[in-house]
Amino acid sequence: DIQMTQSPPVLSASVGDRVTLSCKASQNINKNLDWYQQKHGEAPKLLIYYTNNLQTGIPSRFSGSGSGTDYTLTISSLQPEDVATYYCYQYNSGYTFGAGTKLELK
Amino acid sequence: QVQLKESGPGLVQPSQTLSLTCTVSGFSLTSYNVHWVRQPPGKGLEWMGRMRYNGDTSYNSALKSRLSISRDTSKNQVFLKMNSLQTDDTGTYYCTREKFITTNWFAYWGQGTLVTVSS
Repeated sequence: DIQMTQSPPVLSASVGDRVTLSCKASQNINKNLDWYQQKHGEAPKLLIYYTNNLQTGIPSRFSGSGSGTDYTLTISSLQPEDVATYYCYQYNSGYTFGAGTKLELK
Repeated sequence: QVQLKESGPGLVQPSQTLSLTCTVSGFSLTSYNVHWVRQPPGKGLEWMGRMRYNGDTSYNSALKSRLSISRDTSKNQVFLKMNSLQTDDTGTYYCTREKFITTNWFAYWGQGTLVTVSS
């Protein structure tokens, strides 16, 4: 099974900061990776699909990149409403979520 | 618009069987895949299984021996049944639909239903 490792587990940042979240797969996942945002008490929300495609209605400050085993979610200018847990998810072989990165305001 | 809504018992006793229903609207189950994802309290997400548009199913290997997913297309419902429940099966269970057919991009989610396994 493919393992997904997200780092850091917790990230504290200030409003306006550029924030980078990482996700590493245990083997090549051929860009078959999505990013989800989950706010407290809510269902997950699709942010980025197939590595770098912005889901409809998601602000352009979110972007994704990566290839092979290493992937990144970037928030160009952190906003208060971005406080959430972010999960990466691979579907190249089976389906595996990362453990999440909890994003907090400093 | 696309909607999914989970329903179920809320409380299940250990060793018993969980039965959940995902009722969908705004699309046909014969045109899109629907997945089940669960989340223990305070923990991460776990993919459980999938009902394909053509009726085929696939399951998480860790749950396969206990899990069954089926559907009734006339009622726009997808069903999850999992037996031999234990306390670590407690969590919120979501059904979700792919953005486009066979893409695995979970664009639509239900609100989730909390299942507590306890005597």
